[in-house]
Amino acid sequence: AQSVTQLGSHVSVSEGALVLLRCNYSSSVPPYLFWYVQYPNQGLQLLLKYTSAATLVKGINGFEAEFKKSETSFHLTKPSAHMSDAAEYFCAVSTAQGAQKLVFGQGTRLTINP
Amino acid sequence: GAVVSQHPSWVICKSGTSVKIECRSLDFQATTMFWYRQFPKQSLMLMATSNEGSKATYEQGVEKDKFLINHASLTLSTLTVTSAHPEDSSFYICSAWLGTDTQYFGPGTRLTVL
Repeated sequence: AQSVTQLGSHVSVSEGALVLLRCNYSSSVPPYLFWYVQYPNQGLQLLLKYTSAATLVKGINGFEAEFKKSETSFHLTKPSAHMSDAAEYFCAVSTAQGAQKLVFGQGTRLTINP
Repeated sequence: GAVVSQHPSWVICKSGTSVKIECRSLDFQATTMFWYRQFPKQSLMLMATSNEGSKATYEQGVEKDKFLINHASLTLSTLTVTSAHPEDSSFYICSAWLGTDTQYFGPGTRLTVL
């Protein structure tokens, strides 16, 4: 079985500062890992994904994440926060054998201070 | 590509009535569609997996007679909330899976039961 833990239900950063959203996973087989963003009253938009290729994954809107097997982590970063980055972010895990079965973390609400 | 739509985007109904929510994949045929439920400030919880032409598979604790799912074609799945009550008020999100590593999410439907 897979599980995801997002550390910090709420992260607040200043505009222009580094964004770091933490995600740790548990999986008995090699995982597929995803970051999704959700704006208020909207569905989920895929930011980026790791599916066993390069461990450093670049996504949309300047976000990237690094898969670290030794730390079972897949933290999301962005060098410089923008006001438009304010949203809810979800980390999710699945596997090659069960790619259709996504397990989500609790979500992290990102607030950007002007 | 990979656009998923939901209709309606929001609906208000009286207690005891039934509500149908549609999920369509607009530019691809989806092997499988999923229905999620999201309570305010919480993560997504998988309700059921829907495969075209077969019965839906419900997650533990989800009442199949309350949440009727029909997957009539490779581009359309419907969720009917029968005899809705205020506790059914929630944000319902569908996703579509092409059989690869990624699910594509719809924009969600907000249901309010008075």
